Amino acid sequence: GAVVSQHPSWVICKSGTSVKIECRSLDFQATTMFWYRQFPKQSLMLMATSNEGSKATYEQGVEKDKFLINHASLTLSTLTVTSAHPEDSSFYICSASSVLAEGVQYFGAGTRLSVL
Amino acid sequence: EDKVVQSPLSLVVHEGDTVTLNCSYEVTNFRSLLWYKQEKKAPTFLFMLTSSGIEKKSGRLSSILDKKELFSILNITATQTGDSAVYLCATSGTYKYIFGTGTRLKVLA
Repeated sequence: GAVVSQHPSWVICKSGTSVKIECRSLDFQATTMFWYRQFPKQSLMLMATSNEGSKATYEQGVEKDKFLINHASLTLSTLTVTSAHPEDSSFYICSASSVLAEGVQYFGAGTRLSVL
Repeated sequence: EDKVVQSPLSLVVHEGDTVTLNCSYEVTNFRSLLWYKQEKKAPTFLFMLTSSGIEKKSGRLSSILDKKELFSILNITATQTGDSAVYLCATSGTYKYIFGTGTRLKVLA
């Protein structure tokens, strides 16, 4: 099946710093990538949808300037949490879909962000 | 407002039991319904359903969609401890995916 690699798996940072999370589709071209946030024992909350080469579409309530998303190529999207604060601590998961398997999302392994 | 509701929230069974997980939805511009299994980290894809009444099967897992009544079920027969996970249901709209809160299944040996 399609493989999505997410890096890093876990990051601990100080409050006020920025953190970049990478999401790569390894064996397919991801026309669309999605970024989710998941709180303990809760479902995935969609943060934004990004299409290669265009600006990301953010969900209501998600701060664009805080969560910067770049989808520079068909295999790479990045999420940068700017000026991170403890309340940003969470599990962030990316997923990718391609035209070859329309409608199906393939997920990365997730990144656990801990902001001290 | 679009929503996906899963039930039960949590379920504990013994190995060998059969379980049925439910997912109901209210979604505009519905395209498909997807089931995922989430263990420790990322969800893994199980099924995508687009047509009513057509059962999809994979080993001991099967799923069916009812587009008239707006729900889907996921069946797991002869459960094993390795089936313990959170099962997520999601719907795909025109540009949006909505996930339910999941059903946490624990299978006891």
